Amino acid sequence: GAGVSQSPSNKVTEKGKDVELRCDPISGHTALYWYRQRLGQGLEFLIYFQGNSAPDKSGLPSDRFSAERTGESVSTLTIQRTQQEDSAVYLCASSLARAGGGDTQYFGPGTRLTVL
Amino acid sequence: LAKTTQPISMDSYEGQEVNITCSHNNIATNDYITWYQQFPSQGPRFIIQGYKTKVTNEVASLFIPADRKSSTLSLPRVSLSDTAVYYCLVRPGGYNKLIFGAGTRLAVHP
Repeated sequence: GAGVSQSPSNKVTEKGKDVELRCDPISGHTALYWYRQRLGQGLEFLIYFQGNSAPDKSGLPSDRFSAERTGESVSTLTIQRTQQEDSAVYLCASSLARAGGGDTQYFGPGTRLTVL
Repeated sequence: LAKTTQPISMDSYEGQEVNITCSHNNIATNDYITWYQQFPSQGPRFIIQGYKTKVTNEVASLFIPADRKSSTLSLPRVSLSDTAVYYCLVRPGGYNKLIFGAGTRLAVHP
């Protein structure tokens, strides 16, 4: 596609429910990243996939958070037993995973998650 | 990873040049300096990246002094549509996670 797409654009859920957020990266991009952005703040890194390598999960805030990626395409971020502090915009980005300084991440529009 | 420091907010007027300076005293030899722009309700958008001296593209210029401990993003003749948050990031070359700070909120006034 033309850019990174994410769905849904908005998600309202009740505390304790599970949610799944989807990201479709730019075709051909081997690297995929998830970030979280709380209101008025910068982005926090969550997880990163690159090809067949083990994902970098160093940013996941708790074991309630998990993510999967199917080959080099779609990724799903799952939050189990949601809490109110999980309310944020979840952003996905993809890149060509170039070595050197030329790798640029392209971001999707994000999914706004509200936990009541 | 090197920490960055940039002003929390800036104000400007249409047609003016805006310069946003970012400090990164602990930048490493293989680190690149990257700037992103973010509009409300959108994901960040890559603006420009550099390693040393000056880089210019159709959107902005990036000035990096010889010691690389700071960098300045220059936006020529801003318009109202340049109102956004601008993030300065320092990252190693190659693909990797990005570490965002709070950014600089630029408000352009008529």
